[in-house]
Amino acid sequence: DTGVSQNPRHKITKRGQNVTFRCDPISEHNRLYWYRQTLGQGPEFLTYFQNEAQLEKSRLLSDRFSAERPKGSFSTLEIQRTEQGDSAMYLCASSSPIMGGQETQYFGPGTRLLVL
Amino acid sequence: GESVGLHLPTLSVQEGDNSIINCAYSNSASDYFIWYKQESGKGPQFIIDIRSNMDKRQGQRVTVLLNKTVKHLSLQIAATQPGDSAVYFCAARGGYNKLIFGAGTRLAVHP
Repeated sequence: DTGVSQNPRHKITKRGQNVTFRCDPISEHNRLYWYRQTLGQGPEFLTYFQNEAQLEKSRLLSDRFSAERPKGSFSTLEIQRTEQGDSAMYLCASSSPIMGGQETQYFGPGTRLLVL
Repeated sequence: GESVGLHLPTLSVQEGDNSIINCAYSNSASDYFIWYKQESGKGPQFIIDIRSNMDKRQGQRVTVLLNKTVKHLSLQIAATQPGDSAVYFCAARGGYNKLIFGAGTRLAVHP
């Protein structure tokens, strides 16, 4: 257990519905990341927060996706009008900058989304 | 764009043998690399990391080698055990600390 928690662990939804996922990072980590992983592939970066500021978003993050980290602690990822292509594992990771640059990202267990 | 690739999608080894998993990256500016282990239904688990100013780093039963000349890194697992069976990913750090992952190598350990 890395200390990063994600809820729910599994979500089944119908196409067109909205879904929201939550990530609670390791408490002292000020950096938070969202990744998406499809079957047989490595995780792909979606977005990055430093404290409450969203500093980068991938081109993968279409207008239907929005992420927030309102108080610089937990984060939510919302997908509106879900499509079958959104089916994937959504992973959250957190880190904290350290001297020397070896900043390890610790991942949560992920939320597996299935869009029917 | 940046990319990270693994050389073999699947690696089968006998219990007790040493395993070597290879990875190539494209961006010579990458300064930090990490190996993760992912078991079925779980998130990636940190194994070992290495900065670009090093060429070797050892952990418990694992060693990472970095060859910046050919942009290649490898993960060596000594005395492979059944519990090592998983998918292994290498990742390179890109801009804004995002990690760029390869597709993964599935390690299967046979008794």
